[in-house]
Amino acid sequence: DVKVTQSSRYLVKRTGEKVFLECVQDMDHENMFWYRQDPGLGLRLIYFSYDVKMKEKGDIPEGYSVSREKKERFSLILESASTNQTSMYLCASRTSLEETQYFGPGTRLLVL
Amino acid sequence: GEDVEQSLFLSVREGDSSVINCTYTDSSSTYLYWYKQEPGAGLQLLTYIFSNMDMKQDQRLTVLLNKKDKHLSLRIADTQTGDSAIYFCAEAFSGGYNKLIFGAGTRLAVHP
Repeated sequence: DVKVTQSSRYLVKRTGEKVFLECVQDMDHENMFWYRQDPGLGLRLIYFSYDVKMKEKGDIPEGYSVSREKKERFSLILESASTNQTSMYLCASRTSLEETQYFGPGTRLLVL
Repeated sequence: GEDVEQSLFLSVREGDSSVINCTYTDSSSTYLYWYKQEPGAGLQLLTYIFSNMDMKQDQRLTVLLNKKDKHLSLRIADTQTGDSAIYFCAEAFSGGYNKLIFGAGTRLAVHP
């Protein structure tokens, strides 16, 4: 079974703090993704990575950065958290040989 | 551009069939997916259909694809209370590292 884990289920941070969200997959997948989910908007792609140290912007990258130093780990960074980044963050991964993305359980972030 | 639309709510009686509908605008998608999200959880892949298929059946789930109308549906037979969740339709594209475009999600409520 594919397993995608995220470091925290819930996080509460203050405006201006630097926030790290971690995602780990155990299936040697090349591609990893970060989405945010907001009610009525579905999932929107923030960033994705197709290999170690490689990254591409998604549809809403502003205010975020990412890091992929190891194949199994993809980090999402909020350099200076703002209240409009309060959301559910979902990580996903897939192999290059298959179309299907597998999701982690999500991190619900509240920025005060 | 790419857009995926779903109705936001559906309420059904336990034991009835549920039909969740989705329309999309871009006909170049390769796969179309249905994901399920239970409260507080990540997205669980339910089923998917390749874009050159019309129908796929998997136990209680039936997926119908009408390419001419760009319409996708998910039918759940004998709906149970455990089926209460948000259901996301998504389309995948072969370019852009399998970019997934999600609908806003349909919240299915199953009542006795």
